Amino acid sequence: GAGVSQSPSNKVTEKGKDVELRCDPISGHTALYWYRQSLGQGLEFLIYFQGNSAPDKSGLPSDRFSAERTGGSVSTLTIQRTQQEDSAVYLCASRLRPVNTEAFFGQGTRLTVV
Amino acid sequence: GENVEQHPSTLSVQEGDSAVIKCTYSDSASNYFPWYKQELGKGPQLIIDIRSNVGEKKDQRIAVTLNKTAKHFSLHITETQPEDSAVYFCAASKGSGNTPLVFGKGTRLSVIA
Repeated sequence: GAGVSQSPSNKVTEKGKDVELRCDPISGHTALYWYRQSLGQGLEFLIYFQGNSAPDKSGLPSDRFSAERTGGSVSTLTIQRTQQEDSAVYLCASRLRPVNTEAFFGQGTRLTVV
Repeated sequence: GENVEQHPSTLSVQEGDSAVIKCTYSDSASNYFPWYKQELGKGPQLIIDIRSNVGEKKDQRIAVTLNKTAKHFSLHITETQPEDSAVYFCAASKGSGNTPLVFGKGTRLSVIA
């Protein structure tokens, strides 16, 4: 596709349920990032994938959060046992190379935990 | 790790006036500084970036300045228009491969017609 694609665009889930958020980066982009944006807040870094290197998980807020990137392309962010404080917009971005290049963002997934 | 501070958090200007947003960073190894614009309901989009080998870059009504010694960089928008109203984010990253883009908390700019 022409840009970064995220699905679903909106997700409402009950507290305690697990959710999976999907990101399709731009083809050929080696770097992929997940960020969380709470209402009116900045971009909180969650996790970063670069090529075949081990991902940088330093931003994950708890062990309920995990992510994988299969075949160096599609990434899935999984949140287990969702809590109300997990409600936010989850943004995915990809870059052609990890340095000095533009990061292209998807439209985000708005997660609401009720 | 890198820490990016951004000010102000909100900014209102009259149409036609200039707007300035400032950011500071903590890691002297950072060498790439992009600015993103986020409109309501959309993902952030790059508007301009600067690398550490230059002190200023301009693109039409938008300019960015970088002071490596002081570790701060600024976004300047001249002749503001209502469509400039959005949230603006600064970011910083290093030249080495395995470090993420670190963003400031954003500035909500309102241009009043």
